[in-house]
Amino acid sequence: DAGVTQSPTHLIKTRGQHVTLRCSPISGHKSVSWYQQVLGQGPQFIFQYYEKEERGRGNFPDRFSARQFPNYSSELNVNALLLGDSALYLCASSFPGAGNTIYFGEGSWLTVV
Amino acid sequence: EDQVTQSPEALRLQEGESSSLNCSYTVSGLRGLFWYRQDPGKGPEFLFTLYSAGEEKEKERLKATLTKKESFLHITAPKPEDSATYLCAVHPTGANNLFFGTGTRLTVIP
Repeated sequence: DAGVTQSPTHLIKTRGQHVTLRCSPISGHKSVSWYQQVLGQGPQFIFQYYEKEERGRGNFPDRFSARQFPNYSSELNVNALLLGDSALYLCASSFPGAGNTIYFGEGSWLTVV
Repeated sequence: EDQVTQSPEALRLQEGESSSLNCSYTVSGLRGLFWYRQDPGKGPEFLFTLYSAGEEKEKERLKATLTKKESFLHITAPKPEDSATYLCAVHPTGANNLFFGTGTRLTVIP
């Protein structure tokens, strides 16, 4: 079975531009979360979606938004990119339930110049 | 406030030299504590989930243990392929997300 898949794997954007990152969860998983990982730090929570509804939001500005589609795939959108948005963006999926394992994709490397 | 602290930040071991990584945490309630391995430029790879104090889990040369305040990842007779960053994360009760530590960067020298 395929794991969590993310696209694109690498991209370079200019300050002020917009970016869309995509994620397909593991088959059967209905919950998708997004994390940002800056070099040398642990991942930081951005959003969680379950059944197409936002169920959690981390401490990120409104420039960050996301959505989940009927097939449980998800998009993360970032507007008005800043240099500080350069990071590895990770998508994670799980089958909701207390303590269920959360699996991560390989991430999308975003560089803002 | 939920908090996770990992130590040491970096660890260099000779091949075969066993050691332990520490993860101290503060949460109001714990749904689960996760250990992940992360290779450079890759996403975190799931290793273990621990749910209650006293629980232990093993996988090859790795063994994870949990108390009410901390978790240890014991590495027995490590090999160079064990070199990676090991991340600890807590899933607090009532939260929909994981809180991560900053990781321990392990280097195993042949």
